[in-house]
Parts: sequence; C-alpha cells; structure tokens
Amino acid sequence: DTGVSQDPRHKITKRGQNVTFRCDPISEHNRLYWYRQTLGQGPEFLTYFQNEAQLEKSRLLSDRFSAERPKGSFSTLEIQRTEQGDSAMYLCASSLLMLRNYGYTFGSGTRLTVV
Amino acid sequence: DAKTTQPTSMDCAEGRAANLPCNHSTISGNEYVYWYRQIHSQGPQYIIHGLKNNETNEMASLIITEDRKSSTLILPHATLRDTAVYYCIGSTGNQFYFGTGTSLTVIP
Repeated sequence: DTGVSQDPRHKITKRGQNVTFRCDPISEHNRLYWYRQTLGQGPEFLTYFQNEAQLEKSRLLSDRFSAERPKGSFSTLEIQRTEQGDSAMYLCASSLLMLRNYGYTFGSGTRLTVV
Repeated sequence: DAKTTQPTSMDCAEGRAANLPCNHSTISGNEYVYWYRQIHSQGPQYIIHGLKNNETNEMASLIITEDRKSSTLILPHATLRDTAVYYCIGSTGNQFYFGTGTSLTVIP
C-alpha cells in the first residue's frame, strides 16, 4: 500500500456536466476526508467519514455535492451541474482513529477545471 | 478549532535552521498544535504535532510556549526541498482548518 490514491489527477469538464472523483485510502485507515483547495488558499474541509458513516459535512458542501463511502473503503465525491466556481483541487486524506491522532495522509488530489 | 496566525512568507539560507512561528492564543486545552507542509502541486504532508511538551521527530522540532499561545516549528538544516507552504493548525484531530500558511523559500 503506497498511500492515498486519487483518480483522476486532472479533469476538465464543461459547465453543467456532472463529475465524479474517486479516493482510495490507506487500507487500514477507517477515517476518510475530503478537502477543496483553490489557488492561493489553504485546503478547506468538506466532509469526513468514519468507516461508511458520513459524520460531518461543511456548509461548503452544497446540495450539488455528494460523497459516499459505501463499504468503508474507497470513497467517491460527485459534483452535479458543475459551475466555474467549482474549479479547484479536490484533496482526499485518510487516518486511523486512535487516541492520539497522528494526522492525516493526503493524496495528490484531483484538479478540476470547469470551462 | 483555534484560529492561528502565521507570517505570510519567510526566507532561509540552505543549511541553516528555519524557525517558523505561529500564534494560537485561542487554542483550547484539548487541541493539539499540528504542522503540515505543502509542496507545489502536491497534497499537504504531516510534519509534527504536540499538546504541551516540545516534540522532535526525524523531520522537525516543535517548541510550544508554556502558556500554549504560540509555537515554533524548527527545521534544523533546511534544504532546497523544504521550500513549501507551512500550515500551523490547532485541532482536536477530527478535522483540520488550514489557513493560508507561511510560504518558506530556502535560498541556495
């Protein structure tokens, strides 16, 4: 297991189209997180899962966004009816819930460009 | 999560120690101080974290003031590969709220 894997690395889509990103976490990690990062800003929290349960969603996650982690392993993030403001890097991270959390392991992200 | 304040940018000569400060005066008792860095076009990378005591690992040292209102990340011998944006975050570990961080440039 070489880390958190995200697919695709880059996605260009036309405004109004739907897109789906996939994240494969480190296999023994039971927590999975989605972040969004725009140019010049730090990553912004979107949502996280513990196993298959989605425990928290940011107000940034509008009703056009949905995330799933059906079997507690990989996760998908779908954006419906994309808008130009959705253009960003979408980062996935995973961690192992433990008494002393040693932080996340991030993937390299999916860069979305909406034209 | 605690609001943190960091300088926007810093330079450091290659081979010298890089000392990156962070103010977190509103940090609560159960929040750790975490440091991450992000090299261009990559995801953030965990560096170190601590609660009260100073911490050291193979990447860096973390010095936390006794009142926990500020901390300093120390990269003992900076290399060109340490050029990155460094984020200081106060968190219980459930989720992290990144600010804009400090852009560190290591100069040859």
